[in-house]
This record gives sequence, structure tokens and C-alpha cells, in this order.
Amino acid sequence: DAKTTQPPSMDCAEGRAANLPCNHSTISGNEYVYWYRQIHSQGPQYIIHGLKNNETNEMASLIITEDRKSSTLILPHATLRDTAVYYCIAFIQGGSEKLVFGKGTKLTVNP
Amino acid sequence: NAGVTQTPKFQVLKTGQSMTLQCAQDMNHEYMSWYRQDPGMGLRLIHYSVGAGITDQGEVPNGYNVSRSTTEDFPLRLLSAAPSQTSVYFCASNKAGGRAREQYFGPGTRLTVT
Repeated sequence: DAKTTQPPSMDCAEGRAANLPCNHSTISGNEYVYWYRQIHSQGPQYIIHGLKNNETNEMASLIITEDRKSSTLILPHATLRDTAVYYCIAFIQGGSEKLVFGKGTKLTVNP
Repeated sequence: NAGVTQTPKFQVLKTGQSMTLQCAQDMNHEYMSWYRQDPGMGLRLIHYSVGAGITDQGEVPNGYNVSRSTTEDFPLRLLSAAPSQTSVYFCASNKAGGRAREQYFGPGTRLTVT
């Protein structure tokens, strides 16, 4: 599975958009980009995933560059409850189905 | 649906003791996994299963055993607890096939080995 690189921490003001970057320069053609988050010490929560096209759901948007070497998770209007560790994971569907978590980005949303 | 449930929530063991962490899911998911998370670290995969009767090792399997006799249950056994196994343990499940592979995680079991 491709290795992903994320900044260790980021800050965002409440109500503003939070843009979390992820580098996955060695991603292969059949690897999806998945995003999870972990609030405090709870179990991780799925956010969104994509392969080539940009994706949007009720939680966030995912922008994947055309060369697929990086992506950005966008929380359009961050709230205090979005304070969490965000994990970007490259994942092959139909393979071993194993998620490989890195250390993620600790996002702190400030009032 | 209860989703993924784990018991116990907290456990303290002495070195050398054995115990089983329970995990159950009621979503009829084929895949189930066990992770551990040490302070300040991401999750590391211990064992996983792609269906009843089928299990495989993850990144850190030593000291742990699993079995999958039913689709719903995936217990994790610590054979002889060591202080290095002090961690938070998460169980997860996901459906095979389909467009998305989002894993659903349980609330975790916080284990301390003294």
C-alpha cells in the first residue's frame, strides 16, 4: 500500500474552512484515498473516499490532484466538534482490505 | 443496529495472565479486524478476518490469537499478557464488495498490564 504523508498538526478558526493536505506520491492506479478521523479517544470514523474524481458528501469534500499524488480534505465550515486526528489512507479495494494508519493530522478548531 | 460492540471497556491484567477481548457486530459484515493504538500513535493492525473460519495476521500479531467461528463475533485472545501490550484495542468491521469499504469501529477496550 502507498505511504501517505500528512502534517502533524493544523489549526482552524470555527466557521472557516479546514483544508487538510495529504501527499501520496507513490500511490498506484488501483489505490483509493480514504479519510478517517478520530475524535478524542473514540474509534475512528469514516469520512470520505475517492479514486480520481473529486467527491463530496454531507461531512466533507475530497479534492484529488490530476496526477493523484496528493489530495486535500475540506471541511467547509469547521466546528469545535471537528477537532480530531484526521487520517489519510491509501487503500486497495478487493485486496487484503487492510487499512494502514499513519499518525495523521491533529486538527484543532479554535473558537 | 448496535453496530460494533466491544467488551470490556476497561481491563487491568497482571503480567502473565490471559484474557479474551470480545467483539461483535450486527451488520452482517464479512470483514473484521483488530487494531491496537498506543499513546500518540496511529492504529496498528493485529489480526483480521475476511469471513467465518478465515483469519490472517496483520502488522503486530505476536502475543495474540484470533478465531472467527461466526460472522458476528471476532474475539481477540491475549495468551500471556505483557506490559508492552498495554494499549487501547479497537475492533472494526466492513462489508465486502460494493463501492465503499468504510470500516465501522467499536468504542475500544482500554487494557493496562502491570
